[in-house]
Amino acid sequence: AQSVTQLGSHVSVSEGALVLLRCNYSSSVPPYLFWYVQYPNQGLQLLLKYTSAATLVKGINGFEAEFKKSETSFHLTKPSAHMSDAAEYFCAVSDTSGTYKYIFGTGTRLKVLA
Amino acid sequence: DTAVSQTPKYLVTQMGNDKSIKCEQNLGHDTMYWYKQDSKKFLKIMFSYNNKELIINETVPNRFSPKSPDKAHLNLHINSLELGDSAVYFCASRLNRRDTGELFFGEGSRLTVL
Repeated sequence: AQSVTQLGSHVSVSEGALVLLRCNYSSSVPPYLFWYVQYPNQGLQLLLKYTSAATLVKGINGFEAEFKKSETSFHLTKPSAHMSDAAEYFCAVSDTSGTYKYIFGTGTRLKVLA
Repeated sequence: DTAVSQTPKYLVTQMGNDKSIKCEQNLGHDTMYWYKQDSKKFLKIMFSYNNKELIINETVPNRFSPKSPDKAHLNLHINSLELGDSAVYFCASRLNRRDTGELFFGEGSRLTVL
């Protein structure tokens, strides 16, 4: 079965600093990977997705993620954090093994310090 | 025009009561989901329907009963509410069950059981 693991339930960065949120996946087949963001009292919205077209994926709001098969990772980065980036971030995998599930990691809360 | 809409947004009720949450999507998608998000922000899949057919039924108490009158609607009825049912319930949809694209989320329905 496919799964994702997010390391670090809470991450704090200073405004202007690099944001790095970690996600590792487990899959016996090429995975389809996603990052979502959830702002307070809102639903999840897509930041970016990897569907095997390119290993470096650019998303909205200046975020990007790199798919590294050798490390089974799909970490999310942003060069310079903004106060408005404070939110909950979820890594997810779309299970292509036939279960039709869409599986989320446990989430990472990003705090941006002034 | 909201793509995935849920009603009600907030629900406060007593233990033992029965309540329903409704979800509608206007995206023309075939597949819809219910997720439960607990206080630690963990997203747990509950059910999924594909064109009115139940395709995912996780280990959810049978007090929870989904109903899909048509592919644009997926409702969730909960009988004999318990304190542990307090959570935010998210409806989501995707193009179809084999689609490898994103999920589209509603804004969530916050259920508080007293």
